[in-house]
Amino acid sequence: EDQVTQSPEALRLQEGESSSLNCSYTVSGLRGLFWYRQDPGKGPEFLFTLYSAGEEKEKERLKATLTKKESFLHITAPKPEDSATYLCAVRNSGAGSYQLTFGKGTKLSVIP
Amino acid sequence: KAGVTQTPRYLIKTRGQQVTLSCSPISGHRSVSWYQQTPGQGLQFLFEYFSETQRNKGNFPGRFSGRQFSNSRSEMNVSTLELGDSALYLCASSLENVGKRNSPLHFGNGTRLTVT
Repeated sequence: EDQVTQSPEALRLQEGESSSLNCSYTVSGLRGLFWYRQDPGKGPEFLFTLYSAGEEKEKERLKATLTKKESFLHITAPKPEDSATYLCAVRNSGAGSYQLTFGKGTKLSVIP
Repeated sequence: KAGVTQTPRYLIKTRGQQVTLSCSPISGHRSVSWYQQTPGQGLQFLFEYFSETQRNKGNFPGRFSGRQFSNSRSEMNVSTLELGDSALYLCASSLENVGKRNSPLHFGNGTRLTVT
């Protein structure tokens, strides 16, 4: 059974204080690891897909990296508008399905 | 390009009633999935449809059902509602073509169901 564990559950940062969110996963065959951002009252918004160990993707102040067991979402010099819940999900390489298994998320608060 | 549209945004129902939720995917997307989100369990997979066929189903009781129409629009139905069915129900669509099997899911803003 695929499993995704995110840590920490919640993180408070001062504006400009860089940090990383962790996503540990167990999957029989990884087809993709996905990062999403979710704001209160809204659906998850797609950020990145990572496919293989060593891969990195960047978008503005966010950088996602992938190893064989974990993914990290690095946030550089965060701003208050980066406050949200960040979700990690994996897709199994089993044929015929787009199903994602999600972690429970990290709630990020960036204080001005 | 319009995103995934879910209606209604909010619903209040009584135990024992049934409810139908609607989802219109992004134009051109033929794969539609449904997820339940609760504070305790996070996002849990309900089912996935492609070309009007259910391709995969999560570990939910038979009270939860869905369907997809020829225009890719989808509905999910929950019968005999229980208090524990209160949740945010999210629909997602994905572009699925040869060579694009890793396309991400794009989510709507969900339907907030409250069962009293």
